[in-house]
Amino acid sequence: DAKTTQPPSMDCAEGRAANLPCNHSTISGNEYVYWYRQIHSQGPQYIIHGLKNNETNEMASLIITEDRKSSTLILPHATLRDTAVYYCIVSSDSWGKLQFGAGTQVVVTP
Amino acid sequence: NAGVMQNPRHLVRRRGQEARLRCSPMKGHSHVYWYRQLPEEGLKFMVYLQKENIIDESGMPKERFSAEFPKEGPSILRIQQVVRGDSAAYFCASSPDRTAFNYGYTFGSGTRLTVV
Repeated sequence: DAKTTQPPSMDCAEGRAANLPCNHSTISGNEYVYWYRQIHSQGPQYIIHGLKNNETNEMASLIITEDRKSSTLILPHATLRDTAVYYCIVSSDSWGKLQFGAGTQVVVTP
Repeated sequence: NAGVMQNPRHLVRRRGQEARLRCSPMKGHSHVYWYRQLPEEGLKFMVYLQKENIIDESGMPKERFSAEFPKEGPSILRIQQVVRGDSAAYFCASSPDRTAFNYGYTFGSGTRLTVV
């Protein structure tokens, strides 16, 4: 599975959009991009995933570049409860063996 | 519809004892995955099981660790003769089938194992 690169941390003001970048330059054609988050001491929570088209759900939007080498997770109106570590994962493994990296620690401030 | 249930939430064991961690998947889910998170690190895949079968155990340490998912009852992750390095949070996830592409996995709240 392709490796991902994320900034170690970022801050975001409450009510603003949070844009979380992820580089996955070695992604292959059958690999999906997944985003999970982990709020302190809890289990990871699935956010969204996509292959090549942009995706949106009630939690977030996922923008994938045309060459698929990078993506951005957008939290449209960040709240204090969005403070968490966000993981970008690429995987083609139908077994569900997700490879978690270090992620991005997002802190939403009032 | 209850989520993935893990128990106990916290487990303290002395070095050399056995630790048993339980995971009850969501209703209708027959696929279970175990992950370990060492302090200040990301989650690492350990093992993937279906009912009565181990599908992928490539992330399991070769000794002292075993996992099962019987026909009836929860999945069990068993650690024999625990050592201090086993202290970690152990998370379980479940899914209805093996296909990861259509939806994400639901994780439990984890079991925090402390070896003293």
